Amino acid sequence: AQKVTQAQTEISVVEKEDVTLDCVYETRDTTYYLFWYKQPPSGELVFLIRRNSFDEQNEISGRYSWNFQKSTSSFNFTITASQVVDSAVYFCALSEAIIQGAQKLVFGQGTRLTINP
Amino acid sequence: SAVISQKPSRDICQRGTSLTIQCQVDSQVTMMFWYRQQPGQSLTLIATANQGSEATYESGFVIDKFPISRPNLTFSTLTVSNMSPEDSSIYLCSVEDGGGNQPQHFGDGTRLSIL
Repeated sequence: AQKVTQAQTEISVVEKEDVTLDCVYETRDTTYYLFWYKQPPSGELVFLIRRNSFDEQNEISGRYSWNFQKSTSSFNFTITASQVVDSAVYFCALSEAIIQGAQKLVFGQGTRLTINP
Repeated sequence: SAVISQKPSRDICQRGTSLTIQCQVDSQVTMMFWYRQQPGQSLTLIATANQGSEATYESGFVIDKFPISRPNLTFSTLTVSNMSPEDSSIYLCSVEDGGGNQPQHFGDGTRLSIL
């Protein structure tokens, strides 16, 4: 069965530090998607990125970057020059087998990131 | 991406009562899902809301406890029945336009507390 492990329960850093959130996944599917979502204190779930299993290129979006390594089944997320507004719970997720053309998501336990001023 | 509205945003309910949560999307979507997030926990899929037919429930969730309706391609409801304190959670609706071409997007959630 699919599984997502976010070993870091909580991380606390000082503003402007770089921080990496780890995500390790397990799946038997050859085709799958990996996701990162952000959940700020207000509670909504904000989509950050989706990565296809066939695309191992790293991606950068502003201060955010993602490192996908199929060999180690990892999809790590790095925030550079962190800001207080980055404080949130971050979830890594994996799509299960597609049903009716859609993706069932399996979520990791989340990493609570606190950026201190 | 689609705009997803959930109502109510939060509620406090008495044990033994039921509450219906609404999810409205501003455009037609193929797939709608309901998730539960218990306090301090991750998200767990409750069911897939199927338009015009019965919802597909995940292991551990049953229709009698979580009846779901999806009368059209823009609207779904989740009812939490005969509530107990263990049902205190955030309930989230998510949507996806089938085919996997778009990622799932989530509503703002309904924060439910049972006394």
